[in-house]
Amino acid sequence: SQTIHQWPATLVQPVGSPLSLECTVEGTSNPNLYWYRQAAGRGLQLLFYSVGIGQISSEVPQNLSASRPQDRQFILSSKKLLLSDSGFYLCACNAGTGGSPEAFFGQGTRLTVV
Amino acid sequence: QKEVEQDPGPLSVPEGAIVSLNCTYSNSAFQYFMWYRQYSRKGPELLMYTYSSGNKEDGRFTAQVDKSSKYISLFIRDSQPSDSATYLCAMSDGQGGKLIFGQGTELSVKP
Repeated sequence: SQTIHQWPATLVQPVGSPLSLECTVEGTSNPNLYWYRQAAGRGLQLLFYSVGIGQISSEVPQNLSASRPQDRQFILSSKKLLLSDSGFYLCACNAGTGGSPEAFFGQGTRLTVV
Repeated sequence: QKEVEQDPGPLSVPEGAIVSLNCTYSNSAFQYFMWYRQYSRKGPELLMYTYSSGNKEDGRFTAQVDKSSKYISLFIRDSQPSDSATYLCAMSDGQGGKLIFGQGTELSVKP
């Protein structure tokens, strides 16, 4: 079964600083990869998803970007963080088209922008 | 209208109660339905996975899907304090596998 590694677990960053969150997946090939954000007491907001290397779909306009340089690596970035970027960021994966859609999650990164 | 609607709660029940959690959806193309459990400050973990309509049982948990009503449910029997968590429903049309989540329902089971 897949294992998702996500780090760091906690991050405190000043406004205007850059961001790079990394997610790597083990135990599967050609997965779909996702970045979600979860505000306190709220559901999961899909930020980006990727069906292959270099293929990124953005779900909402925002201050963030994503890249997939390798099949099982997904990176979330920002050039200049805003206070509103604070939240719980989750990386997830599931099988590609034709496979089971249930997703598996990493343990998340709690980002606080100060 | 959101594609998936879920009452955020919070829901508080005594230990041993039967819990009913529900989601409604608007996209008739959804065929895959999932329930996730999320403990505080952790990533969601898959609890139940159902394809199309019908029931699925796993221990104290039962998932029901009624596609005609666009309504899914999760029942927890003999609820335990360890069941206290946020429960999220999720669904997919199976095309590319993108999941759409509900807002999550916060459940508290009191001893």
